[in-house]
Amino acid sequence: AQSVAQPEDQVNVAEGNPLTVKCTYSVSGNPYLFWYVQYPNRGLQFLLKYITGDNLVKGSYGFEAEFNKSQTSFHLKKPSALVSDSALYFCAVVFGNEKLTFGTGTRLTIIP
Amino acid sequence: GAVVSQHPSRVICKSGTSVKIECRSLDFQATTMFWYRQFPKQSLMLMATSNEGSKATYEQGVEKDKFLINHASLTLSTLTVTSAHPEDSSFYICSAGVKSGVFGSGTRLTVV
Repeated sequence: AQSVAQPEDQVNVAEGNPLTVKCTYSVSGNPYLFWYVQYPNRGLQFLLKYITGDNLVKGSYGFEAEFNKSQTSFHLKKPSALVSDSALYFCAVVFGNEKLTFGTGTRLTIIP
Repeated sequence: GAVVSQHPSRVICKSGTSVKIECRSLDFQATTMFWYRQFPKQSLMLMATSNEGSKATYEQGVEKDKFLINHASLTLSTLTVTSAHPEDSSFYICSAGVKSGVFGSGTRLTVV
């Protein structure tokens, strides 16, 4: 069965520093991988997705993620964090016709 | 890009009444829509898969008689919480398609 893990519940980063939010997955075959951001009392906003092709995916708001098949990871990154990046981030995976499976979420706090 | 409109964004209802939440796909057709529930500080839990023209598929543990889903057209799915109770208070989010990754803005339901 497919699964996705976000090992960190909380990540704190100083403004201007690079940030990484970790995600690992477990599926057989080739997955579709997603990152979403959620602000308080709001729905999910799509950041980026990996389907195939270049392992480095660039998304909204300066975020990017690297698909690493050997490590089964899809970490979210940004070179320079902004205070406005503070939010809840979800990694998700889908394979074939299976449903979208979400990680437990990582709360990112950017410290001014 | 593809947009999913969800309405209402917030609703407060009395215990024992029913509440209907709408999810519309704008500018595209969605034969499949998904309904999620999110508890505070937790990830999204898939409740059911809404299939246009046929019965919804419910996840294990979700009461289909309590959470009625109708997908009468290719652009509209509705979730009706029947005889709502305070424990039904939650954040409900819909999405259209699996690999499109498009979500509605969510509905905050409060049952008093």
